[in-house]
Amino acid sequence: EVQVVYSGGAAAQPGGSLRLSCAGPGFTLDNYVMYWVRQIPGKGLKWVSLISWDGSTRKYDDSVRGRFTISRDNSRNSLYLEMSSLRREDTARYYCGKAILDGDSDDGFDILGQGTMVIVSS
Amino acid sequence: SVLTQPPSASGTPGQRVTISCSGSRSNIGSNSVYWYQQLPGTAPKLVIYSNYRRPSGVPDRFSGSRSGTSASLAISGLRSEDEADYYCAVWDDSLSGQVVFGGGTKLTVL
Repeated sequence: EVQVVYSGGAAAQPGGSLRLSCAGPGFTLDNYVMYWVRQIPGKGLKWVSLISWDGSTRKYDDSVRGRFTISRDNSRNSLYLEMSSLRREDTARYYCGKAILDGDSDDGFDILGQGTMVIVSS
Repeated sequence: SVLTQPPSASGTPGQRVTISCSGSRSNIGSNSVYWYQQLPGTAPKLVIYSNYRRPSGVPDRFSGSRSGTSASLAISGLRSEDEADYYCAVWDDSLSGQVVFGGGTKLTVL
């Protein structure tokens, strides 16, 4: 299993902010599209955001657009998700993903590690 | 969900089972489909990408196909350890573009 380190998952109040990170001592982000997906416990998978290999393109699901910001630091081999104006419905386990093929591929992505839990509650 | 999967499927050990994933022209009809296996209590694992390719380490009992606006995951020689939730996913060209997932299929090995 690819070694990945998550940080930032925690409990937050509605309206609050969190910053998730996904770092790869066991893999490299360079040249790969990176993703965030989330899963409410017991429910299905939902895509959150993606960022192109060079950071020039960022896309978001409608439910998070304007509230979440994806970014990457290839020199630190790290992917980030800045989450603001949190809502109870953002409560989920968040996973980062790495495209299976390099470049601008949209052929699929590996989901890395066990993810990090975010709980939004007052 | 934008992609439609049956909520459940089942088979006996050694059987071949197929899980379907139905979409539209803007997603499956235009882009590559991929599939995840999620064993109980674990993170999802990519088992098929680019419609039919297997990542390293995935047994060749797993195969994928795509035709028109539908895709399928087939598992042959079914084993007890294949009991899991399976999700299809694909890029959707509609609106500003997004990744869409199926609702998932729970596979039970009887």
